[in-house]
Amino acid sequence: SAVISQKPSRDICQRGTSLTIQCQVDSQVTMMFWYRQQPGQSLTLIATANQGSEATYESGFVIDKFPISRPNLTFSTLTVSNMSPEDSSIYLCSVGDSSSETQYFGPGTRLLVL
Amino acid sequence: QKEVEQNSGPLSVPEGAIASLNCTYSDRVSQSFFWYRQYSGKSPELIMSIYSNGDKEDGRFTAQLNKASQYVSLLIRDSQPSDSATYLCAVRAGGTSYGKLTFGQGTILTVHP
Repeated sequence: SAVISQKPSRDICQRGTSLTIQCQVDSQVTMMFWYRQQPGQSLTLIATANQGSEATYESGFVIDKFPISRPNLTFSTLTVSNMSPEDSSIYLCSVGDSSSETQYFGPGTRLLVL
Repeated sequence: QKEVEQNSGPLSVPEGAIASLNCTYSDRVSQSFFWYRQYSGKSPELIMSIYSNGDKEDGRFTAQLNKASQYVSLLIRDSQPSDSATYLCAVRAGGTSYGKLTFGQGTILTVHP
């Protein structure tokens, strides 16, 4: 499986600020996804990061709050904008290949908003 | 009704016993089914995938799928304390939602010596 890294691994931020999370994969992958895992909860898909086009957002998530970039097949960023304490979560990048049918997760970014 | 629902936990079993984790899903066009293990403070790790009705075995793990009943389960034989984790059931839809995974709420498993 691909090796996935995320930066930063954790951060503490002030409300009203923004944080950009990076996801880097060591090989080209077809599909990249961003998930959120709130404390004690399961994973919720935020959006599918599409290479060369706008991300596809799930219900309840909007581009203004979670802008996503995917400039190539190995890299994506998720920005959490105008943060509030409710945004305190683990943000996870996952990758999949259309031929493998499976998804693998990066180590996650643990965000605390004060 | 939740799209993917797992049996309520936490589940506690003695070392050496069989742990049984269950999951039901609501979308009949679901294509693929996965079990992830998540240790505290870590990201989910894929342990099993299953696509066809029946059983699939991998070491101490057996996944069972029954599409007619919209049910998937994971059996862990000879449970070890190192199996203590949260187990997440995930379902991948077909059609236009290709690739998207929907997760259950997770079942916390504790294996005690």
